[in-house]
Amino acid sequence: NAGVTQTPKFRVLKTGQSMTLLCAQDMNHEYMYWYRQDPGMGLRLIHYSVGEGTTAKGEVPDGYNVSRLKKQNFLLGLESAAPSQTSVYFCASDQGTDYGYTFGSGTRLTVV
Amino acid sequence: QQPVQSPQAVILREGEDAVINCSSSKALYSVHWYRQKHGEAPVFLMILLKGGEQKGHDKISASFNEKKQQSSLYLTASQLSYSGTYFCGTDSGGYQKVTFGTGTKLQVIP
Repeated sequence: NAGVTQTPKFRVLKTGQSMTLLCAQDMNHEYMYWYRQDPGMGLRLIHYSVGEGTTAKGEVPDGYNVSRLKKQNFLLGLESAAPSQTSVYFCASDQGTDYGYTFGSGTRLTVV
Repeated sequence: QQPVQSPQAVILREGEDAVINCSSSKALYSVHWYRQKHGEAPVFLMILLKGGEQKGHDKISASFNEKKQQSSLYLTASQLSYSGTYFCGTDSGGYQKVTFGTGTKLQVIP
């Protein structure tokens, strides 16, 4: 009964380093999303996927890449981290239109 | 473009009612509502679809005015557990690509 699992939960990176955030869901959902949450700005969509093998840009995609090779996994990559990418990252999934999101517990990323 | 939520913050005493509003400049297909407690993930409350009915469960309900591109969340007889930040999310294209507002912080005190 895991739902949406994100790893890692916390990470500190130095400017210029790279990393991958993993999101895994066990609900057989087609749609998956990556959002970032910053104080006072709500949740902003980075990238999303409407099915295995598909990805699309959201509102703030610059500096991030994603892949969805398997239906249950959605990976978010930072190739060269910048302090502006310090944020809390949430992954979410849903069955499609007309359904609400199930969010993961988040990854708190600090770039120094 | 982000939907606009009002108020930005509200403090209630237990048992009081509150209304949180969400408005968009775009025509909407659906409106989502979520609650987020400090340090936790947002939790889905309800979704309102274009042409659908007002929804609610327990003492939390919501309405959706398609013509005005507005939605309101109603919390009646508030409980301490209602404290948190409430976000509305809007979908303009029907593709489930949700844009969130900046949130309304609600605090319920004894």
